[in-house]
Amino acid sequence: EAGVTQSPTHLIKTRGQQATLRCSPISGHTSVYWYQQALGLGLQFLLWYDEGEERNRGNFPPRFSGRQFPNYSSELNVNALELEDSALYLCASSLSGTSWQPQHFGDGTRLSIL
Amino acid sequence: AQTVTQSQPEMSVQEAETVTLSCTYDTSESDYYLFWYKQPPSRQMILVIRQEAYKQQNATENRFSVNFQKAAKSFSLKISDSQLGDAAMYFCACSFSGYSTLTFGKGTMLLVSP
Repeated sequence: EAGVTQSPTHLIKTRGQQATLRCSPISGHTSVYWYQQALGLGLQFLLWYDEGEERNRGNFPPRFSGRQFPNYSSELNVNALELEDSALYLCASSLSGTSWQPQHFGDGTRLSIL
Repeated sequence: AQTVTQSQPEMSVQEAETVTLSCTYDTSESDYYLFWYKQPPSRQMILVIRQEAYKQQNATENRFSVNFQKAAKSFSLKISDSQLGDAAMYFCACSFSGYSTLTFGKGTMLLVSP
């Protein structure tokens, strides 16, 4: 069974640009989560999608957005990139959006802002 | 707001010894789930063990076990017979009732020496 896959592995952008990160969940999983792992800040919840709908959002500005496609894959968009957006972005999926279902993580996308 | 705290930034253990990683959390919820994740240098987050708050019995997975003290809001991870491959960053996380998103602690780096 294929795990959660994320692309690209590494993304280099400059300030003000836009970045798009992609995630494919484990087959059969309907919930997708995005987390930001910045140095010194630990993992912060960004967005949660389930059955194509945004279910919850972390404490991030509106320039962080995303969507979930009918095949349950997801995309995270970050507009007007700032230096502090440099981080590892992790995607996770679970069977459903219930709290007892463990989340399975991808390898992440390292976003570097120059 | 719910919080998860890991007070040990770094811990060291020798091979074959036992080590305990601490985690405390704060919530007014009665229904929640606790997780320990491991993130090796390869950066993929791997689920180590899960505990349901309503269960009195501590969860065990091979060499990994938890000491769940609900009244004290404490959820420590014990690793027995430590192996070199256990070296990683360990994160304690909690999903609270109604929200399947995870709140993470800042992590504990576990160093294992031969």
